[in-house]
Amino acid sequence: DARVTQTPRHKVTEMGQEVTMRCQPILGHNTVFWYRQTMMQGLELLAYFRNRAPLDDSGMPKDRFSAEMPDATLATLKIQPSEPRDSAVYFCASGLVRDRVSGANVLTFGAGSRLTVL
Amino acid sequence: GIQVEQSPPDLILQEGANSTLRCNFSDSVNNLQWFHQNPWGQLINLFYIPSGTKQNGRLSATTVATERYSLLYISSSQTTDSGVYFCAVFDFGNEKLTFGTGTRLTIIP
Repeated sequence: DARVTQTPRHKVTEMGQEVTMRCQPILGHNTVFWYRQTMMQGLELLAYFRNRAPLDDSGMPKDRFSAEMPDATLATLKIQPSEPRDSAVYFCASGLVRDRVSGANVLTFGAGSRLTVL
Repeated sequence: GIQVEQSPPDLILQEGANSTLRCNFSDSVNNLQWFHQNPWGQLINLFYIPSGTKQNGRLSATTVATERYSLLYISSSQTTDSGVYFCAVFDFGNEKLTFGTGTRLTIIP
C-alpha cells in the first residue's frame, strides 16, 4: 500500500532549538496538508500545498513556523525557535484533490511526528 | 465554512456489541471520509464515502448526502476497535479538510 512517510517519529528538544519535520507524500498526489494535534485543540490545520504551491498557511504562527515543499517528494515544516507550547503531534496528509464536481479523493495521513519541547 | 458534528462524543461498549456513529454536516458535499485514530495515535482511513453504502468486514458506512449525514456501523466490536473515530469533509469553499469533533469509542473486554 502507498503511504505517507514522516520523519522523525519522535523528537525531544529544548526550548529555543530549531525543529524540522519532513513528509514524503504519496507519488501522484497533488495536495499536502500539515496538521497539529493536541489534547486541548484537536486537529488544527497549519498549512497546505496544491501542486507544491502554498494555498493556505493561516493556521501557522508566522513568526516561528514555516512550511515549504521544495519538490514533489518532500514537504517540510520548520519551527524556529521552538517553544514548550509547540509540543504536539504533527501530521502530514496527502491526497489527489480535484474539483467541486468530481470531489476530493482519499486523503492519507502519515504516522505523525511527536514533538516534545522542554 | 462547513460545520461537521459527530455524535455521540463518547461511547463505551462491551466486546461483541454493535454501534452506530453519526456525522452531520451543514452543507452539501460530494466527499466524506471516515478515519479511525487508534490508541497509538495513528489516523487510519476507513472509508471514502461521498454517497451510498460501503462495507469492509465488520465495518460499514452510509452517507445520505441529500440529508447531510453519514453513519458508521461497527458490528461485533473488538477491543482493537477502541480509539477515536473522525469524519471529515473537504470544503471546496474555503479549501479546507474539516474534521468533526470525533467519537471516542472504548470497547471493554
